[in-house]
Amino acid sequence: KNQVEQSPQSLIILEGKNCTLQCNYTVSPFSNLRWYKQDTGRGPVSLTIMTFSENTKSNGRYTATLDADTKQSSLHITASQLSDSASYICVVPDGGSYKLIFGSGTRLLVRP
Amino acid sequence: EPEVTQTPSHQVTQMGQEVILRCVPISNHLYFYWYRQILGQKVEFLVSFYNNEISEKSEIFDDQFSVERPDGSNFTLKIRSTKLEDSAMYFCASSAGQGGIYEQYFGPGTRLTVT
Repeated sequence: KNQVEQSPQSLIILEGKNCTLQCNYTVSPFSNLRWYKQDTGRGPVSLTIMTFSENTKSNGRYTATLDADTKQSSLHITASQLSDSASYICVVPDGGSYKLIFGSGTRLLVRP
Repeated sequence: EPEVTQTPSHQVTQMGQEVILRCVPISNHLYFYWYRQILGQKVEFLVSFYNNEISEKSEIFDDQFSVERPDGSNFTLKIRSTKLEDSAMYFCASSAGQGGIYEQYFGPGTRLTVT
């Protein structure tokens, strides 16, 4: 069964610190992987989309990596800000379809 | 910046009633989607819609659900005879195309509470 697993489930860091979130997927065939940020009670907002040929992609303080061989991705947040407090969700299209499979997310809390 | 809008933001209904959730996708987008998120759980795909037809649906999207694009701007999700377990956030999304490079833009969601 195609799945997306994320770790850790939750994370607390101090403002200004860096952190890395992990995603493992078992989706085949693989076409792309997305990271979304979801604030509480709001819709997900896209951070990055990575195709199988991309190893790394940055969007401001967010840097995503992808290893299509090991089926792993990470999202690195640099110099965290209080506004980074949110859930970060790894998403992969389901095999040959366009249906998106969402991970459970990592709930990040940035403290002053 | 264009955005997806949804109304209402919160809908409370009694079990067995019908509800219609409304969405206005981004104007030049061609693909439309509904997702739901039960409190504390993952976002789940319900249905995708293109060219006035359902292009894909999940096993959740049974005969209780229907979608419609009644005019050039709105995209609706109808839930007939609501059940307690239909309580969730429902998100509408739209995209300019399908496939790897196309982002799906999500609306703010409608919180449906079935009592």
